[in-house]
Amino acid sequence: GNSVTQMEGPVTLSEEAFLTINCTYTATGYPSLFWYVQYPGEGLQLLLKATKADDKGSNKGFEATYRKETTSFHLEKGSVQVSDSAVYFCALSSSGGGADGLTFGKGTHLIIQP
Amino acid sequence: DTGVSQNPRHKITKRGQNVTFRCDPISEHNRLYWYRQTLGQGPEFLTYFQNEAQLEKSRLLSDRFSAERPKGSFSTLEIQRTEQGDSAMYLCATGPGGLQETQYFGPGTRLLVL
Repeated sequence: GNSVTQMEGPVTLSEEAFLTINCTYTATGYPSLFWYVQYPGEGLQLLLKATKADDKGSNKGFEATYRKETTSFHLEKGSVQVSDSAVYFCALSSSGGGADGLTFGKGTHLIIQP
Repeated sequence: DTGVSQNPRHKITKRGQNVTFRCDPISEHNRLYWYRQTLGQGPEFLTYFQNEAQLEKSRLLSDRFSAERPKGSFSTLEIQRTEQGDSAMYLCATGPGGLQETQYFGPGTRLLVL
């Protein structure tokens, strides 16, 4: 079956540090890959996505590249801010038509200190 | 606000009682999903609708759970004879359909079964 594994948190960084949150997946076929973010007290928001191998998703300074050869979709940001503190979820959709549920990782709690 | 909305936001009930949650989708979205999220975990897929048709159910959806989407608009999720293990955040997501669809999440309903 499908599965997503992401690094466990909490991850604590200082402001302006470089961020990497690792995500690897197992899936049949050609999944679409997503990063969702959950800010304190808010719902899940789509951060970025990639739908085929070697695609790079980007948004708000965050980037992730779909690596089929390593089945990975690591999230990176060059300089984090306190406002980036949140829980980040890596997810995949395995159906080509999107007509199924997303499979999520357990989430990584990111804490940015001033 | 034209996003996904869910009501109630919080529900406390006694074991054995029935509860019902509502999800109102983004108006042009024909796909609607229900997920459950427990503390420290990512969301887990429960069921999915294409318009009014319920097309997929997870093995997590026991006989005590039922979902409907009359007329392909809002959806309800009912849990009968609640158990303490049902305590979780119940999330609704909707999507426009098509290949490489993105799902948009509501704020969730937090259920506590005493």
